[in-house]
Amino acid sequence: DAKTTQPNSMESNEEEPVHLPCNHSTISGTDYIHWYRQLPSQGPEYVIHGLTSNVNNRMASLAIAEDRKSSTLILHRATLRDAAVYYCILRDYGGSQGNLIFGKGTKLSVKP
Amino acid sequence: DTEVTQTPKHLVMGMTNKKSLKCEQHMGHRAMYWYKQKAKKPPELMFVYSYEKLSINESVPSRFSPECPNSSLLNLHLHALQPEDSALYLCASSSSPRPTGTGELFFGEGSRLTVL
Repeated sequence: DAKTTQPNSMESNEEEPVHLPCNHSTISGTDYIHWYRQLPSQGPEYVIHGLTSNVNNRMASLAIAEDRKSSTLILHRATLRDAAVYYCILRDYGGSQGNLIFGKGTKLSVKP
Repeated sequence: DTEVTQTPKHLVMGMTNKKSLKCEQHMGHRAMYWYKQKAKKPPELMFVYSYEKLSINESVPSRFSPECPNSSLLNLHLHALQPEDSALYLCASSSSPRPTGTGELFFGEGSRLTVL
């Protein structure tokens, strides 16, 4: 399985942008890049996913490097509610390795 | 309705007890999942059901027995558990019956299990 590497923790100030990095140097051509987050005492929730092009939705933006070996989740204005563990996950759309397998994630703290 | 409902929210059981965790979704999803999460660790995949049939068992001990009685329900039967099995058990569902890489997973809030 392709693996991802994320910083263990990051800090942000409220109402400022946050850039959460993820390295996936062994990504294959059939891997989608997914981001999930887990708020305290809750199950994980989907944030965004992409394949090659940058993606935007109401929660966040996903910037994917041209060689696809890294990506960045962007929260445009962090709120206290965004404090969570953020997981970057590779999912294979072409075969049997597409199940959601979580890595260690990045714990984001947001300061008021 | 985009909810996955898990019951009970908390469960305490002895090592000789038999208990069950339940999961329900009404989104018409055909894939359902059980994950186990220990404190301060990421969720670990246990089982995947596709069209009510077990498609993946990640080498889970037989004291955990999954069951999918219909497309909306998923159970996890527990018997002769060990204290190290204490964890948060998360259920999820997705519309894609196969792991296509694009289907979003919807998670419940989990059942917190304590084995004494």
